[in-house]
Amino acid sequence: QVQLVQSGAEVKKPGASVKVSCKASGYTFTSYGISWVRQAPGQGLEWMGWISAYNGNTNYAQKLQGRVTMTTDTSTSTAYMELRSLRSDDTAVYYCARDVAAIVGATRFDYWGQGTLVTVSS
Amino acid sequence: DIQMTQSPSSLSASVGDRVTITCQASQDISNYLNWYQQKPGKAPKLLIYDASNLETGVPSRFSGSGSGTDFTFTISSLQPEDIATYYCQQYDNLPPCTFGQGTKLEIK
Repeated sequence: QVQLVQSGAEVKKPGASVKVSCKASGYTFTSYGISWVRQAPGQGLEWMGWISAYNGNTNYAQKLQGRVTMTTDTSTSTAYMELRSLRSDDTAVYYCARDVAAIVGATRFDYWGQGTLVTVSS
Repeated sequence: DIQMTQSPSSLSASVGDRVTITCQASQDISNYLNWYQQKPGKAPKLLIYDASNLETGVPSRFSGSGSGTDFTFTISSLQPEDIATYYCQQYDNLPPCTFGQGTKLEIK
């Protein structure tokens, strides 16, 4: 069965960086993309960006350009999302999701990780 | 960026009721519209893709329709387990793909 298992909760100080991992299993990793979506406490969903597990192409939300980097390691079927220069308003649950778009993203997200809470606080 | 306006923001209905949520795009997005269900403390779940296609394993009481700028999500007969927040999501114009602000559905 398809599973996406994310790394554990993080507490970071403002200005620091965080790297969240998302290990995929149960499907051919390189046949899909991975999108990252975050949700601030009590708020709605915000798409952060997409990466092709096939060729590494990325597509980031403009508001995060320059602060976010998404990568994959096909040898371990793991996707990573790094967010730098953290601010208090980056406090959120971060989700990875399998994206059916392998070449050009993003489209629809049919399986999701369990979420990783990132807290930014001094 | 394409804005997605979802309404209502909250809704209270009785078990067995027909429930309808609408999502309006700020420009034509064809049928590039998906619907998700999110229960408290859980990850979202894909219910409907490309405006009207039911995701595998999703009960048939859920349906979607629309194209262009106006879309509708319907639960034909509300069940207690349908209590959740529902989001629409467009992917016609990237980046970004965008979500509606959500509709919180409660039992009356």
